[in-house]
Amino acid sequence: DAGITQSPRYKITETGRQVTLMCHQTWSHSYMFWYRQDLGHGLRLIYYSAAADITDKGEVPDGYVVSRSKTENFPLTLESATRSQTSVYFCASSESAAGGYGYTFGSGTRLTVV
Amino acid sequence: AQSVSQHNHHVILSEAASLELGCNYSYGGTVNLFWYVQYPGQHLQLLLKYFSGDPLVKGIKGFEAEFIKSKFSFNLRKPSVQWSDTAEYFCAVNAGAGNMLTFGGGTRLMVKP
Repeated sequence: DAGITQSPRYKITETGRQVTLMCHQTWSHSYMFWYRQDLGHGLRLIYYSAAADITDKGEVPDGYVVSRSKTENFPLTLESATRSQTSVYFCASSESAAGGYGYTFGSGTRLTVV
Repeated sequence: AQSVSQHNHHVILSEAASLELGCNYSYGGTVNLFWYVQYPGQHLQLLLKYFSGDPLVKGIKGFEAEFIKSKFSFNLRKPSVQWSDTAEYFCAVNAGAGNMLTFGGGTRLMVKP
């Protein structure tokens, strides 16, 4: 289903560069989330947003910036990419924080920082 | 703060074997419980969920999970696995309305044909 779209699917960037990962949802869900997935760490929440112009830090926010000027978009920016930010990034959305019907995830962005 | 533990990081089974993946959480109040599956190269998909009622929950593809409140557990089971069940499985918990999901570290299941 195309309800939540992430772009790009794959990205290679150099250390120190700024990178923006895009996330777009078509369900008008209030909540949106960014997770990173790393071997041995499972899914860790980076940032989340309860509504447009409302964002908050998750478990591992350092080095990341988010914005949410429109309900449907929730871009994640790495201000100065580091090798430790090499990961798979998933965006998710939900009608509530608790996710009564579960969170809906995008297909992910595989980011490599060289 | 709530936490979720999945004890088995990697599980290897042969086809037709039975599966049980453990999930324990640390929160004493009312919880909502989920299992997600991530097939290779794909995004996470909801497998099943428990909110209330019958503690034995049936999900898609023959999976089921049992909520045992006294043990703070929500183990995932399948009587006979198939090669196509090869995936990573995540348990997730939220401690009631207004709280976000907390995910376990995941269990990678490999089913050998």
